[in-house]
Amino acid sequence: EAGVVQSPRYKIIEKKQPVAFWCNPISGHNTLYWYRQNLGQGPELLIRYENEEAVDDSQLPKDRFSAERLKGVDSTLKIQPAELGDSAVYLCASSFAFSGWTDTQYFGPGTRLTVL
Amino acid sequence: DAKTTQPPSMDCAEGRAANLPCNHSTISGNEYVYWYRQIHSQGPQYIIHGLKNNETNEMASLIITEDRKSSTLILPHATLRDTAVYYCIVSVAGDSSYKLIFGSGTRLLVRP
Repeated sequence: EAGVVQSPRYKIIEKKQPVAFWCNPISGHNTLYWYRQNLGQGPELLIRYENEEAVDDSQLPKDRFSAERLKGVDSTLKIQPAELGDSAVYLCASSFAFSGWTDTQYFGPGTRLTVL
Repeated sequence: DAKTTQPPSMDCAEGRAANLPCNHSTISGNEYVYWYRQIHSQGPQYIIHGLKNNETNEMASLIITEDRKSSTLILPHATLRDTAVYYCIVSVAGDSSYKLIFGSGTRLLVRP
């Protein structure tokens, strides 16, 4: 079974440039998460989707970050414009949820963003 | 903030058991203890979880104290590939607001 796929794996951009990350969750998983992991720290949740709906985006910096999950499968996380402090690893995870039950989260390899 | 306390680093010899402790003194009755690990340059990997009974799977064993205020993850025969950061997380399972709040974890180094 294929795991969570993310691309690109690495991205280097200059500040003020836009950047986008793509995630393909495990087949059949209706819940998708985006996390950000700063160096030396654990991941922090940015946004959680159930199908197409963003059910928890309280930690997403909405002035520059946006996300979408069209058709309830793949998802894209965008930053525009990027700032130096956005340098981090961006992780996508997926799980299966039904009737209020949420199963184990499975993570992708992440995208390492460096903003110069 | 994370609800768990873990030592920042530990080491053990290859082939020996690695015992990783975690304190979660404020755990609620409906919160599970989850363990994930993160090998360098990879995403976190689920290991095991439990509520109050000890649990074992092909990767590890989880021992939870009777008062549920602490737990220990046991890797019975550590290998070099077990070198990673191990995260202990308490969270409500089966709840639609299920959320993992990661702390800083324990960096385990397995020595040859």
